[in-house]
Amino acid sequence: DQQVKQNSPSLSVQEGRISILNCDYTNSMFDYFLWYKKYPAEGPTFLISISSIKDKNEDGRFTVFLNKSAKHLSLHIVPSQPGDSAVYFCAAKGSGGSNYKLTFGKGTLLTVNP
Amino acid sequence: ETGVTQTPRHLVMGMTNKKSLKCEQHLGHNAMYWYKQSAKKPLELMFVYSLEERVENNSVPSRFSPECPNSSHLFLHLHTLQPEDSALYLCASSQDRGRVGYTFGSGTRLTVV
Repeated sequence: DQQVKQNSPSLSVQEGRISILNCDYTNSMFDYFLWYKKYPAEGPTFLISISSIKDKNEDGRFTVFLNKSAKHLSLHIVPSQPGDSAVYFCAAKGSGGSNYKLTFGKGTLLTVNP
Repeated sequence: ETGVTQTPRHLVMGMTNKKSLKCEQHLGHNAMYWYKQSAKKPLELMFVYSLEERVENNSVPSRFSPECPNSSHLFLHLHTLQPEDSALYLCASSQDRGRVGYTFGSGTRLTVV
């Protein structure tokens, strides 16, 4: 049973346009959400996060939106650049005794075309 | 340099072999993790070590055996693996169990033949 779902395995966007990556979750105990970026032959690197008490967090070209009622979050990249081409993983963390554990989605491959 | 170093980067082993994956972190973190990434699957948590004590074994078969001799080093000992164990094995570390923001290594691409 997948608790974090990224339903789009891939996304292709033109350079300069907006990239929107989506993530849905089923566990209402998740209280912190993160996005990781992964290039081929490298480990994932932390990109941006958001607490469940917020609905938006912005860092430069990257913004994460959280809709708790819909159990949905999205990552917006504006403007998209070719160097943003990578796999993006959504991850969620629960509260309580397992609050160290991150649950990951399958990832979305973003391709930004010049 | 990510601060988390994994060796080897690539490993091909037979089903009767014994090998070990190594992870070393230079960040002063006190929690370390092994994750498995298979094709078209989410990252799967395998083991968690906090202050050198194993705090979680996520239903991993006994043919995978972790070892954490100190807070900077983590090993994954492999023996009698199956072809379906072929995957990317990622090590990660964090400051403590409750904090977010793992730092991942580059992974070991394991192929079992």
